[in-house]
Amino acid sequence: NAGVTQTPKFQVLKTGQSMTLQCAQDMNHNSMYWYRQDPGMGLRLIYYSASEGTTDKGEVPNGYNVSRLNKREFSLRLESAAPSQTSVYFCASSRDREYEQYFGPGTRLTVT
Amino acid sequence: EDQVTQSPEALRLQEGESSSLNCSYTVSGLRGLFWYRQDPGKGPEFLFTLYSAGEEKEKERLKATLTKKESFLHITAPKPEDSATYLCAVQAYQGGKLIFGQGTELSVKP
Repeated sequence: NAGVTQTPKFQVLKTGQSMTLQCAQDMNHNSMYWYRQDPGMGLRLIYYSASEGTTDKGEVPNGYNVSRLNKREFSLRLESAAPSQTSVYFCASSRDREYEQYFGPGTRLTVT
Repeated sequence: EDQVTQSPEALRLQEGESSSLNCSYTVSGLRGLFWYRQDPGKGPEFLFTLYSAGEEKEKERLKATLTKKESFLHITAPKPEDSATYLCAVQAYQGGKLIFGQGTELSVKP
């Protein structure tokens, strides 16, 4: 039972490049989330998926897109990376939206 | 606007020296308050959920309490392995998103 897994662990991009962050959970959870964590800003919600087939914007969605591929997988795409997107990205999942969230190990992204 | 403020930002304790971390919140209709622990370079780890004023939860040396305006995380006789950043988050009935505080960085020296 791995919980929430994320790939890659580290990534360096040049401005304008694109990439997709992958997330998978094996807890049969309905809801999944993408956050970014920056010094002094705390954890901020980018996008979430309350259930399979639905996605909604969070607090800081600009520059990102998401896909809920199936119940297990939720990916985050950066179409044209910018230095302001340098951050640590966390994926999380929960049984449903009102329950506690379980986080993955994070992806450290640097955009130069 | 829903808001969470944690204090202090950083706390240094000697092993065995008990203390408390504070989480003050304003939210329009609290569904739940969550405590997480985060070690450097790792994702947040779920500790507790509190739902109503007066509720208490315990786990080893940690005890979380809730009032209508704030929550406390009491650490009794801490050990060096308790060193981490502790995050507090609130969830409102309306919207349902988690709003996180900035965290308290706890350091316990032997």
